[in-house]
Amino acid sequence: SQTIHQWPATLVQPVGSPLSLECTVEGTSNPNLYWYRQAAGRGLQLLFYSVGIGQISSEVPQNLSASRPQDRQFILSSKKLLLSDSGFYLCAWGPYGYTFGSGTRLTVV
Amino acid sequence: KNEVEQSPQNLTAQEGEFITINCSYSVGISALHWLQQHPGGGIVSLFMLSSGKKKHGRLIATINIQEKHSSLHITASHPRDSAVYICAVINDKLIFGTGTRLQVFP
Repeated sequence: SQTIHQWPATLVQPVGSPLSLECTVEGTSNPNLYWYRQAAGRGLQLLFYSVGIGQISSEVPQNLSASRPQDRQFILSSKKLLLSDSGFYLCAWGPYGYTFGSGTRLTVV
Repeated sequence: KNEVEQSPQNLTAQEGEFITINCSYSVGISALHWLQQHPGGGIVSLFMLSSGKKKHGRLIATINIQEKHSSLHITASHPRDSAVYICAVINDKLIFGTGTRLQVFP
């Protein structure tokens, strides 16, 4: 069966610090991978998706970037965090029956 | 207007009550997810359905593709059901509703 690992579960980072969130998938090959963010009081919004190694599409302009160095690895990064980057970040793979990571709650202070 | 609308936004219930959460969408979909998000933030997929009805324990999910509407029902609700319930539709990507916050009191 397919599983998705996302870490860390919670993170508190100072403004201006870098960020790296990692998501890895098991039990499948060549998945579509997605990063979503949920800001306070809002629904989950798609940030990036990837259909293969090195292929990244961005849905919204922002302070973040994504990379896919391996088939089953998807990384969300920032060089300098902003207060507005705080939120809940969720990794998912699809498209045939989506599977979700457990999420990362990021607080930028 | 959001492509996926949920109602109600907030819901409180007494233990044992029957609960219904509704989801309406305006786009063509291949399937729909119901998700549960607990206060710590972790998300669990409850159902994925593309037609008809699915049941798991005290949870029942239905979908009417023609009417672009889905419902999540909880029978004999319990305080541990307290969570945010999120509807998400599968278009070429996932589109999420804003969620329904459910609190069940003993």
